[in-house]
Amino acid sequence: SFELTQPPSVSVSPGQTARITCSGETLPNQWSYWYQQKPGQAPILLIYKDTERPSGIPERFSGSTSGTTVTLTISGVQTEDEADYYCQSADRSATCVVFGGGTKLTVL
Amino acid sequence: QVTLKESGPALVKPTETITLTCSVSGFSLDTPRMGVSWIRQPPGKALEWLAHIFSNDEKHYNTSLKNRLTISKDTSKSQVVLTLTNMGPMDTATYSCARMPPFCAGGVCSYGWYFDLWGRGTLVAVST
Repeated sequence: SFELTQPPSVSVSPGQTARITCSGETLPNQWSYWYQQKPGQAPILLIYKDTERPSGIPERFSGSTSGTTVTLTISGVQTEDEADYYCQSADRSATCVVFGGGTKLTVL
Repeated sequence: QVTLKESGPALVKPTETITLTCSVSGFSLDTPRMGVSWIRQPPGKALEWLAHIFSNDEKHYNTSLKNRLTISKDTSKSQVVLTLTNMGPMDTATYSCARMPPFCAGGVCSYGWYFDLWGRGTLVAVST
């Protein structure tokens, strides 16, 4: 099995830029995806295929990749962005899905 | 409108087997390369993928739970069913189903290994 590693928490002030990283050995070979989950709600897809943004997702959310690490960047953080963020990918054989441990974003 | 809705028992006893049903609407389980996954989340903890099934009946399971999980679908009823045997306290979680849509570009479609729509989930507690 493989793992995706995220920092447990990230804190930023409103208007600043938040960066949430996700590391995993298969990330150079498999697409990554990002979800936002607010308390009591289902996750929402923010980024697919490393950098693509679904329609309806604000432009302040962006994804990037470098080697075994992918990064979700939130520019101009708003208070409503306070949530848990999860990265997701697939294993080498593209048969199993894995989620990162999640990162709690706090907007101070 | 595309929706997924989970149903199942809210409380089970240790060692019991649970059966969860995901009822979908607004899309067909027969659509080529369409998939549905089951994902769970213990209270206050991270998401954990359990299993998925594609339109061609291809199935894959979380290797750590593989011996306890079975996923199936009934296309005529638009349902995906998950069974988990030998339930224990560690299985207490909200169980959700999510759609895995095909990814199509330039007229070519491939499997999309991501979740674009989720159900609200159903909380299952394991207790005597």
